[in-house]
Formats: sequence, C-alpha cells, structure tokens
Amino acid sequence: AQSVTQLGSHVSVSEGALVLLRCNYSSSVPPYLFWYVQYPNQGLQLLLKYTTGATLVKGINGFEAEFKKSETSFHLTKPSAHMSDAAEYFCAVSDLGYNKLIFGAGTRLAVHP
Amino acid sequence: SQTIHQWPATLVQPVGSPLSLECTVEGTSNPNLYWYRQAAGRGLQLLFYSVGIGQISSEVPQNLSASRPQDRQFILSSKKLLLSDSGFYLCAGTTAGSSTDTQYFGPGTRLTVL
Repeated sequence: AQSVTQLGSHVSVSEGALVLLRCNYSSSVPPYLFWYVQYPNQGLQLLLKYTTGATLVKGINGFEAEFKKSETSFHLTKPSAHMSDAAEYFCAVSDLGYNKLIFGAGTRLAVHP
Repeated sequence: SQTIHQWPATLVQPVGSPLSLECTVEGTSNPNLYWYRQAAGRGLQLLFYSVGIGQISSEVPQNLSASRPQDRQFILSSKKLLLSDSGFYLCAGTTAGSSTDTQYFGPGTRLTVL
C-alpha cells in the first residue's frame, strides 16, 4: 500500500532563504505525486504534480520538486522564500486504481523577516 | 476548469443537532467526489468518497454519513452532532476522465460543535 512521510512538521526559514520541504513515499508501482498548499482557513491548492516524463517538475509561485525514484523522494524547493509562502504544505501519492490520494501529515512553513 | 463550491463557510451548532453540508461541482461531469476533515493541528482525514450517483464509500466508522443525489452534488450529514465532529471540512473532486487522480478542493466549512 502507498504511504507518504513528510519529515518535519514545522519548518522555519528567513525571507530570501532556500525552502526545502521533504517528502518520501512508499509505492509498489510508479507513483503519481503531488504537492498542495493550504493557507489558513482555506482549501488546498495544487502546487505541482509528477505523473510521467521529466523528473523535475515546476509549479506555481516559484516552487519545484524533483522525483527521485532511487531515493523514493519528492522534495519541494523554492530558491528564495517570501513572506507570502507561509502556509501548510501537503505531499500526496495517488493510490492508483482506488481513486484516492494518500496525504502526508503536512509541514507548516514559517517565514520570518 | 473545475470549481468546487461549499457552503456554509462557517457553522456553529449545538451538540445533538443535525448537520447538512453541501458541495457542488462546476466545470466537469461525472467527477469522483471526496469529503475530508481536518481537526485542529492535524492532517487530512478522508471520510467518504463517491465515484457516481448513489455510490458512497466510507473510510472510517463515525457519526457522519454522505449522499450523492446528483452527479455534481455531494452532501455530508449527521443526525446528532458530537463535540468531536468539530473541524474543518473539505470537499474535493477529480476531473472526469483524469488518469492521475488530481483532486481539486473547495474552500472548506469550519464547523464548531458546542
């Protein structure tokens, strides 16, 4: 069965610093992988997804993620954090054939001046 | 593109009262639909999902039920609310024909049971 582990429930960075949010997955088949962002009291917004093809995926708001099969990872990065990036981020893997996404526990990103 | 609507945005209900939360989908037909709950400081818990009218799968035993009376309508209900039902409820849907299970989320309903 698929599963997702997000390392670090809270991450804090300075404005302008690199953002790195870690996600490792477990899947018996080639996975579809997703990153979502949630701002306070809002629904989840899709940042980016990996299905097939290029392993470096670019998303909205300057975020990108790289699918590394050998490491079973799909870490999210952004070169320079902005105050508006403060939010909770969820990594997810598709439970293929069961029409469901398996979500990680989430990582809350804080950005300080 | 697909849009998920939810209402109400916030709701305060007494213990023992009934509940009805509605979710509607715009921009696609025959979507898969999902209800999630987020308790304070916790991740997403999948409650129900539906692959078609009248077809409901329950993920966890609970005080809640779901129905799908129309293709693009998904309702979450309870006959008697418990304190533990408080949380942020999110509806999500997939685009019909999508092979990647990408889910699009509504804005959520904040439920407080007192």
